[in-house]
Amino acid sequence: DGGITQSPKYLFRKEGQNVTLSCEQNLNHDAMYWYRQDPGQGLRLIYYSQIVNDFQKGDIAEGYSVSREKKESFPLTVTSAQKNPTAFYLCATSTFQEQFFGPGTRLTVL
Amino acid sequence: EDQVTQSPEALRLQEGESSSLNCSYTVSGLRGLFWYRQDPGKGPEFLFTLYSAGEEKEKERLKATLTKKESFLHITAPKPEDSATYLCAVQDDNNAGNMLTFGGGTRLMVKP
Repeated sequence: DGGITQSPKYLFRKEGQNVTLSCEQNLNHDAMYWYRQDPGQGLRLIYYSQIVNDFQKGDIAEGYSVSREKKESFPLTVTSAQKNPTAFYLCATSTFQEQFFGPGTRLTVL
Repeated sequence: EDQVTQSPEALRLQEGESSSLNCSYTVSGLRGLFWYRQDPGKGPEFLFTLYSAGEEKEKERLKATLTKKESFLHITAPKPEDSATYLCAVQDDNNAGNMLTFGGGTRLMVKP
């Protein structure tokens, strides 16, 4: 089964905790992205990576961190510095232009 | 700064009642305009890419068109299974990372 996998599907976090969201792809795409979606809103870019060992901040990077040690993997850490982390998180990969999305992780802060 | 505005925010249609969704955009140089469909609790599903004014693309009951300032997603004789949120996004020519700027989406509900 090919494509983009995100885990877990649902994640609950206590205030003050860091949590890591997983994103894995077997599409052999170079570029990977993390977006945040709030209820009834569009997607906002958190971080992106065009090649291994390189990544750039998006529009709302504060309180988040990423790594890109392998082409297939682009994990996102939501740190305790993120003031309002409850949201739906989407990972994407891209060919030259089109972006393809994973199934998402819904994070809830208790 | 790139901007994308979608209207209406929500649209209720009867099955078979055709309509259009609007996506207005501001971008310094358009590399591509993208349409996605998103079902509740799922990731967006790619529908179309449009590259230049005058271009049209079709898929089943959906047809996307593009002008220099906006794009329309026309839905002909919709069915209840077309109910979803439709997202529009643009990619700027001056953007090194192939990043997309998204609109807020149009939530479409088709009643039988």
